[in-house]
Amino acid sequence: DVKVTQSSRYLVKRTGEKVFLECVQDMDHENMFWYRQDPGLGLRLIYFSYDVKMKEKGDIPEGYSVSREKKERFSLILESASTNQTSMYLCASSPLAEAYEQYFGPGTRLTVT
Amino acid sequence: AQKVTQAQTEISVVEKEDVTLDCVYETRDTTYYLFWYKQPPSGELVFLIRRNSFDEQNEISGRYSWNFQKSTSSFNFTITASQVVDSAVYFCALSEAGETSGSRLTFGEGTQLTVNP
Repeated sequence: DVKVTQSSRYLVKRTGEKVFLECVQDMDHENMFWYRQDPGLGLRLIYFSYDVKMKEKGDIPEGYSVSREKKERFSLILESASTNQTSMYLCASSPLAEAYEQYFGPGTRLTVT
Repeated sequence: AQKVTQAQTEISVVEKEDVTLDCVYETRDTTYYLFWYKQPPSGELVFLIRRNSFDEQNEISGRYSWNFQKSTSSFNFTITASQVVDSAVYFCALSEAGETSGSRLTFGEGTQLTVNP
């Protein structure tokens, strides 16, 4: 079974803190994705990566950065957390094939106070 | 630009009722793919189905069926004889063709389905 794991299910941080969200997949997938999920807005793509050290901006990259030093790990970084980044963050992975389905982790609910 | 609209924010039904979740999409591409995902209360999205734009055949899988109509840009999902375990948020999504761009999904807003006993 494909497994995508995220470092925390719940996280509470203070405004201005640097926040790292970690995602690991065990299926040797080339593609990895970070989304945020907000009520009424669905899932919105923040960043994705199709290879180690490669990254592409998604639809809402402002305020975020990413790191992919190893194929299995994709990190989302909030350089200076703000209250409007309170959200559910979902990581996903997929093979490098056209329109293959994505496999999702359980999500991290981040609260910034 | 691609867009997916799920106009039904919440639906509530009684067990054994049939329910249809609507999905309308916009794209300029002639080749594209449509998906449905289920997000149960545990939070992890689960893949249900993928269709490509050249295959308009309806699909049935057990109690689930999908109706793809290019003429109305819709990809609706029907659950027959709903069960409490069907309670979840359901997302419709769209991707373009292409090895990297085809990996990107544009999601709809999601529909919260509650099936009451």
